[in-house]
Amino acid sequence: DAGVIQSPRHEVTEMGQEVTLRCKPISGHNSLFWYRQTMMRGLELLIYFNNNVPIDDSGMPEDRFSAKMPNASFSTLKIQPSEPRDSAVYFCASSFGAKSNTGELFFGEGSRLTVL
Amino acid sequence: AQKVTQAQTEISVVEKEDVTLDCVYETRDTTYYLFWYKQPPSGELVFLIRRNSFDEQNEISGRYSWNFQKSTSSFNFTITASQVVDSAVYFCALVTGATNKLIFGTGTLLAVQP
Repeated sequence: DAGVIQSPRHEVTEMGQEVTLRCKPISGHNSLFWYRQTMMRGLELLIYFNNNVPIDDSGMPEDRFSAKMPNASFSTLKIQPSEPRDSAVYFCASSFGAKSNTGELFFGEGSRLTVL
Repeated sequence: AQKVTQAQTEISVVEKEDVTLDCVYETRDTTYYLFWYKQPPSGELVFLIRRNSFDEQNEISGRYSWNFQKSTSSFNFTITASQVVDSAVYFCALVTGATNKLIFGTGTLLAVQP
């Protein structure tokens, strides 16, 4: 079975450019999560969706970040404009369950973003 | 406040040694779940185990075992007869009904030397 699929795996861009990260969750999963991992802050939850609806976006750093889930099989995380401090590994994860988060997440391989 | 503390930043052992990774958590909720995830050098995060707050039974899975003690708010992870393939960063995590967020500890880097 295919796991969570993220693209691109690596992205190098210049400050000010728009970055779009993509995620395809595991088929049948109804919750999707975006995490960011940095050395300084560890793993941080940015936003999560349940049944395509954003449930909690309190972890989104600022207005430059936005996430969408137009259907059950696709989500995007967009950064516009990007800044060097956005450099991190961005993970998408999915799970199956009710609205509450029971934590058994299946993670993608991550998208490593470098903003110069 | 919800918090997970992994005091051990790095541990280095020689193959076949046993090693225990510590995890201490904080929450006021009575219902919560605890987890361990493994992040090998390839970077992906792999789910290892979930425990709910009402089940303090220890669990063993092959060379892995977990010791959950509510009295000390700890959920420690032991690898018996470690192998080089166990080298990874291990994260302890917590989710409660109050926050509905999976909160990770800072991770412990385990290096198993041949």
